Amino acid sequence: EVQLVESGGGLVQPGRSLKLSCAASGFTFSNYYMAWVRQAPTKGLEWVASITNSGGSTYYRDSVKGRFTISRDNAKSTLYLQMDSLRSEDTATYYCTRDRDSYAPFDYWGQGVMVTVSS
Amino acid sequence: DTVLTQSPALAVSPGERVTISCRASESVSTLMHWYQQKPGQQPTLLIYLASNLESGVPARFSGSGSGTDFTLTIDPVEADDTATYYCQQSWNDPWTFGGGTKLELK
Repeated sequence: EVQLVESGGGLVQPGRSLKLSCAASGFTFSNYYMAWVRQAPTKGLEWVASITNSGGSTYYRDSVKGRFTISRDNAKSTLYLQMDSLRSEDTATYYCTRDRDSYAPFDYWGQGVMVTVSS
Repeated sequence: DTVLTQSPALAVSPGERVTISCRASESVSTLMHWYQQKPGQQPTLLIYLASNLESGVPARFSGSGSGTDFTLTIDPVEADDTATYYCQQSWNDPWTFGGGTKLELK
């Protein structure tokens, strides 16, 4: 059974940093692209960043470029999202998702982790 | 960015047929996918590449469309289908989602 379990969320002040982790199991992690998708409270879904299966290429939405870094450790089957210079508009539930390839859907989602950016 | 427009809400009775539309601001070929999100839960994939039913999803769900106009159909609707439905395109960077259609049962 595919499982994606996020951790690392919490309350953080504007301008500070936070690192999310996503522990994957039930599939060969190194064979799949992975991504982070977020959802602000009572709002819709928003793609944040993606990474290829090898980790050799990464992709970001403009609003997080230069502030967020997606990475992975295939030996540990873990996906990361380093979030720096956080802003109030980054407040959201962050979902770890599995991506079959760069044009494919997000076929499995974690339960999500809440990030609140507030002073 | 490619904007995906969905009707905000629909109300139907159990047993009826419902169609949920998604219109893209530019062509996305057939790289359109549909998700269901129940309150307090993560989204789940229903339909991928416009018309392909994800494994384990009931055959009551179907998808169609290409280019800029897409449809998710549920026939017949059941009480458990109460949820918000999102379309998402993966043709144009950045990948974008529609605003969601909240389906309520009468």
